[in-house]
Amino acid sequence: KNQVEQSPQSLIILEGKNCTLQCNYTVSPFSNLRWYKQDTGRGPVSLTIMTFSENTKSNGRYTATLDADTKQSSLHITASQLSDSASYICVVSEGGRRALTFGSGTRLQVQP
Amino acid sequence: NAGVTQTPKFQVLKTGQSMTLQCAQDMNHEYMSWYRQDPGMGLRLIHYSVGAGITDQGEVPNGYNVSRSTTEDFPLRLLSAAPSQTSVYFCASSPPSRGAGELFFGEGSRLTVL
Repeated sequence: KNQVEQSPQSLIILEGKNCTLQCNYTVSPFSNLRWYKQDTGRGPVSLTIMTFSENTKSNGRYTATLDADTKQSSLHITASQLSDSASYICVVSEGGRRALTFGSGTRLQVQP
Repeated sequence: NAGVTQTPKFQVLKTGQSMTLQCAQDMNHEYMSWYRQDPGMGLRLIHYSVGAGITDQGEVPNGYNVSRSTTEDFPLRLLSAAPSQTSVYFCASSPPSRGAGELFFGEGSRLTVL
C-alpha cells in the first residue's frame, strides 16, 4: 500500500531559526511530490512541486529537496517568521494517474 | 478571483439528519474532489469527478453521495449523518494535467454530528 510518512509530527521553534521537515514515501511508480502549507482554519495551499529529475527547488524562504533513490523529501524553512506557523503536508502522486497519497502533516509553531 | 468556495463553513447536525455541503469553483477546472480531514490523519478522498456528468468513489465514500451537473458545482450529500462523519471537509479542484495536478482547496466546512 502506498504510504507517506512525515516527521516530526509537531515542532516548536523560535522566530528567526531554521527548521527542516521530513517526508518519506513508498508510492510507486512515482510522478511528483508536492508540499502544501495549511494555515489553521484554512485549506492547504501548494508551496512547491518536485518531479523525478529535480533535486532541489526554492520558493522564497522555503527549499524542498528530493532524493528519488531513497524516496525521501525535505522542506527547509530559513529564518522562520510567525506567519510560518502552520501544518505542512507532503503529497505524493502516483505515476500516470491522479491518485494521491497524503501525509498526516507536520504542525509547526513559530514562537516570538 | 474567488477560486473554490465552500458553504457552509460550520454545521451541527443530529444523527440521522441529512445535509448538503456546497462547492463551487470559477477556474473552469474539470477535476473536482471532496476530502475529509481528521486529527492525526492525512486527507482522505471521498468522491471525485473528472468532468460534468462523471463521478467516482474515492477511499472513503460510504455515507456520501455526489453529483456533477455543471463544471462549476460539486455538492456533497450526507444521506443520514453519523457521529463518525464529524470532520472537516475540503473541496478541491485541479486544472487539466497528465496525472495529478496542483489541487486548489476551499476553506473547509467543519461538520459536527451529535
